[in-house]
Amino acid sequence: GENVEQHPSTLSVQEGDSAVIKCTYSDSASNYFPWYKQELGKGPQLIIDIRSNVGEKKDQRIAVTLNKTAKHFSLHITETQPEDSAVYFCAAVGVDSSYKLIFGSGTRLLVRP
Amino acid sequence: GAVVSQHPSWVICKSGTSVKIECRSLDFQATTMFWYRQFPKQSLMLMATSNEGSKATYEQGVEKDKFLINHASLTLSTLTVTSAHPEDSSFYICSARPSHGPTEAFFGQGTRLTVV
Repeated sequence: GENVEQHPSTLSVQEGDSAVIKCTYSDSASNYFPWYKQELGKGPQLIIDIRSNVGEKKDQRIAVTLNKTAKHFSLHITETQPEDSAVYFCAAVGVDSSYKLIFGSGTRLLVRP
Repeated sequence: GAVVSQHPSWVICKSGTSVKIECRSLDFQATTMFWYRQFPKQSLMLMATSNEGSKATYEQGVEKDKFLINHASLTLSTLTVTSAHPEDSSFYICSARPSHGPTEAFFGQGTRLTVV
């Protein structure tokens, strides 16, 4: 089955700097890659996603890139703000009918004021 | 955006009792809902896939008789933790995928279960 690895596990940046989180997946048939932000005590919130027919997608300060050949995708946050501090999870969805999300291990992002 | 409501947000129960958690899609129909379990500082682990009108599909290692899932309508799935023990204490999260549309899944706010 699908396996998703995520790095780094923790990331500390200065406010205004950029943050990059990377994930790799194992199943070349996976075709949908969402990113979630989870704040303490809350459920994950979808922040951006990308499909396998697209190489890059941007939404204001957030962007995601996908390299299908290498089977990895990355989240880029520019001009970080303290409110960006949270745990970020990448995920992959396979092509079978279950649409199960397989999550990475998470990255704890701390943006220092 | 699509809203998934999970209730209760937290619950404390005694060992040996059962607890029911509800997951509702408020503004869309969801043929498929998913139940996850999350331990502190860990990722979400898929427990089961809930399909409306049929039996849930459990992941390997998840006891179906302990974690009863019912998906009786297109907007409601329930997870019942039976004969709860302290080791069942965890953060339980549901997600719902719209019946019609792309692949996005929307998450509830989670339920903190503490078994004493």
